[in-house]
Amino acid sequence: EPEVTQTPSHQVTQMGQEVILRCVPISNHLYFYWYRQILGQKVEFLVSFYNNEISEKSEIFDDQFSVERPDGSNFTLKIRSTKLEDSAMYFCASKEGTSATDTQYFGPGTRLTVL
Amino acid sequence: GQNIDQPTEMTATEGAIVQINCTYQTSGFNGLFWYQQHAGEAPTFLSYNVLDGLEEKGRFSSFLSRSKGYSYLLLKELQMKDSASYLCAVMDSNYQLIWGAGTKLIIKP
Repeated sequence: EPEVTQTPSHQVTQMGQEVILRCVPISNHLYFYWYRQILGQKVEFLVSFYNNEISEKSEIFDDQFSVERPDGSNFTLKIRSTKLEDSAMYFCASKEGTSATDTQYFGPGTRLTVL
Repeated sequence: GQNIDQPTEMTATEGAIVQINCTYQTSGFNGLFWYQQHAGEAPTFLSYNVLDGLEEKGRFSSFLSRSKGYSYLLLKELQMKDSASYLCAVMDSNYQLIWGAGTKLIIKP
């Protein structure tokens, strides 16, 4: 069964450093998402991406964040200057259809720790 | 503001039935999702309701009442592997998923 993959599984970085989290969505999916989940807290929407551009973003997704689809398979989240409060699990998700309510399938996540 | 409420934790016995409730107040409604999340893992899709009523899928069923802003997830014939957090999420008018904090379900033998 096709699945969303994410790398790395764990990332430790120093405050102020840039990190890039990578995702490979399911191949025939058209919509891509990034979510984060701070330890013990709820999942939070960051951004959605369709047709090579951001379609929606939350208040969390400020200027330090950016997303890119550099080729036909990867979808990346860049955090330019990490802060301690960016420590969280970051989940990528993808969705096949054009209906906004189609099921989103999640990757295993990247655990980001900012020291 | 947008709000999704579900109990923090529930305990049930292996083989029994448990109902996890979710109430929501969101700006618009485009469907309600239930996801299962084992500790340290990604959420996995369980069910989707957009019309009132019960959707049954094996041991799991999900119910929706849009007029009451209420849903529940019913798990039957509980197994130890069902120990997980169950997340209620509503798609709002901007087609963003708004997530509840999750209900941690503990299954005892």
